[in-house]
Amino acid sequence: EAQVTQNPRYLITVTGKKLTVTCSQNMNHEYMSWYRQDPGLGLRQIYYSMNVEVTDKGDVPEGYKVSRKEKRNFPLILESPSPNQTSLYFCASSLYPGPRNTGELFFGEGSRLTVL
Amino acid sequence: GDSVTQMEGPVTLSEEAFLTINCTYTATGYPSLFWYVQYPGEGLQLLLKATKADDKGSNKGFEATYRKETTSFHLEKGSVQVSDSAVYFCALSEVYGGSQGNLIFGKGTKLSVKP
Repeated sequence: EAQVTQNPRYLITVTGKKLTVTCSQNMNHEYMSWYRQDPGLGLRQIYYSMNVEVTDKGDVPEGYKVSRKEKRNFPLILESPSPNQTSLYFCASSLYPGPRNTGELFFGEGSRLTVL
Repeated sequence: GDSVTQMEGPVTLSEEAFLTINCTYTATGYPSLFWYVQYPGEGLQLLLKATKADDKGSNKGFEATYRKETTSFHLEKGSVQVSDSAVYFCALSEVYGGSQGNLIFGKGTKLSVKP
């Protein structure tokens, strides 16, 4: 089954304790992206990747890191989480990132993170 | 940079009412335009799309027409159902530069349909 898998789905952690949210897709997609969703602010892009070893900042990259060492995985790293990073996080992927993107982003089910 | 603006929610309608959710965009060039839907507790999924001016995207009774002259892509449905209750996101695909193909989302509009 074609899917984007995120882990963990739920996490409560404390300020400053490094954590990684994993994202894996089994569709051989080139493009992957991370978003956070907050009430009243909608969906904001954190980082995206056009292909292996190619990553770029989105609208709200501060406090986050990513890597794209292989096509299927795109982990999101919070080196020193803070309470303002409490949010619902989504990973997404699509086949091609090109100028006439088909636009069909496939989303994971989300990871709800709480930083105390 | 490119951006998407959609109407503030929440929108509350009775079953079988007509739905319009407004979406306008600012972009360099002529981007592809999309509507995504997020049902409670789920990720987003593509609802419909249009890739050039005057194209009409449609799916599940929803429609939207790409209007270049007004830079708009309003979502409409003639008769909503309770099962349409969800958050709807308008989005565009960037055309130029190093981020071409990247999707920019609006803030989302929450729709609640009452029986």
